[in-house]
Amino acid sequence: DVQLVESGGGLVQPGGSLRLSCAASGFTFSTSWMHWVRQAPGKGLVWVSRINSDGRSTSYADSVKGRFTISRDNAKNTLYLQMNSVRAEDTAVYYCARDAPQVVVHAFDIWGQGTMVTVSS
Amino acid sequence: SYELTQPPSVSVSPGQTANITCSGDKLGDRYACWYQQKPGQSPVLVIYQDNKRPLGIPERFSGSNSGNTATLTISGTQAMDEADYYCQAWDSSTGVFGGGTKLTVL
Repeated sequence: DVQLVESGGGLVQPGGSLRLSCAASGFTFSTSWMHWVRQAPGKGLVWVSRINSDGRSTSYADSVKGRFTISRDNAKNTLYLQMNSVRAEDTAVYYCARDAPQVVVHAFDIWGQGTMVTVSS
Repeated sequence: SYELTQPPSVSVSPGQTANITCSGDKLGDRYACWYQQKPGQSPVLVIYQDNKRPLGIPERFSGSNSGNTATLTISGTQAMDEADYYCQAWDSSTGVFGGGTKLTVL
């Protein structure tokens, strides 16, 4: 089965750091672009970041630029999101999502179950 | 920054057609996607590239995009279609979601 499984969420203090992981299985991870999308409690979806298949190209939402870093290890079939200088407004469920293959424009065709990040003192 | 606007809620009777709109400046010049999210679940892609359905998505889901508005149409709406729906597009290399529409089937 095609699957994405996030981990690493939890409670972190404002200004602290956290690294999220997303383990992929059931598809060729090394050729897939990947994304992080978040959803604050009771709120809508917000795109956070994306990375291309070899990890050399990344992009970020303005709200996390300079604080978050997306990366990947294709040998381990794992996507990461390093979160630094976190703020209360970063509190959300974080989803990893696969970029749909063979489409003209990016679309998120496979989603993980999400991991909750709570920023609070 | 680019913005997408959706109505907060839409109601439809079972068996009728539901139309959920998504507005953005010259949205028709971009491709739009739609995602369905049921309570406590992860989102599911239901429409990509304006009007294409992924494998496994019922034919009653369709999409269109022209001018400033993209529309998700659900024909013969069923109770199982009750969910939040989000449109999404790209502003250069930045992803943008609409605020979401809660579809109620009553």
